[in-house]
Amino acid sequence: DIQMTQSPSSLSASIGGRVTITCRASQSINRYLNWYQQKPGKAPKLLIYDAASLQSGVPSRFSGSGSGTDFTLTISSLQPEDFATYYCQQSFSTPYSFGQGTKLEIK
Amino acid sequence: EVQLVESGGGLVQPGGSLRLSCAASGFAFSNYAMHWVRQAPGKGLEYVSAISSNGYNTDYANSVKGRFTISRDNSKNTLYLQMGSLRAEDMAVYYCARVARGKFDYWGQGTLVTVSS
Repeated sequence: DIQMTQSPSSLSASIGGRVTITCRASQSINRYLNWYQQKPGKAPKLLIYDAASLQSGVPSRFSGSGSGTDFTLTISSLQPEDFATYYCQQSFSTPYSFGQGTKLEIK
Repeated sequence: EVQLVESGGGLVQPGGSLRLSCAASGFAFSNYAMHWVRQAPGKGLEYVSAISSNGYNTDYANSVKGRFTISRDNSKNTLYLQMGSLRAEDMAVYYCARVARGKFDYWGQGTLVTVSS
């Protein structure tokens, strides 16, 4: 099974700031990497798919990059509604494993 | 509008059984693979099980293999998860999710399974 490792596990940032979250796969997954946002008590929401494609309706301040084993999610100009937990997920091979999550908090 | 609505969660004793359902609407259910994903209290997302669009192919996490069974009824637009020999570590919110080319593009609201005596 493919292991996904996110870093950091948590971070704090200010409104209007910029953050980058990293996700590393235990083997190459090409660009089969998706990012989700989850708020407390809610289901996850798809943000980015295939490493860099923005899901419909997701603000353009969210962007993704990477291929192979290393990927990043960047959020520019942080808004209050962006403070949540973010998960990466590989869709290269089943089981479609998730990273452990990165909690983004307000500084 | 795509909707996934889980039901069937609740309190069950260790060793007990429970069947979860996920009612789908707003899309051609029989065209999509479906997954169950769970989240233990305060923890991250964990893959549980998957089923192909026609129901012929299934897959399970090692942690539930032999105890859980995924199935679907495309005539009723419903996904199921039969859970048996439940353990404390199975306690979680269980989500069903639609899978489109590997991405989980729609999720249900989740149903809580509590395993306790």
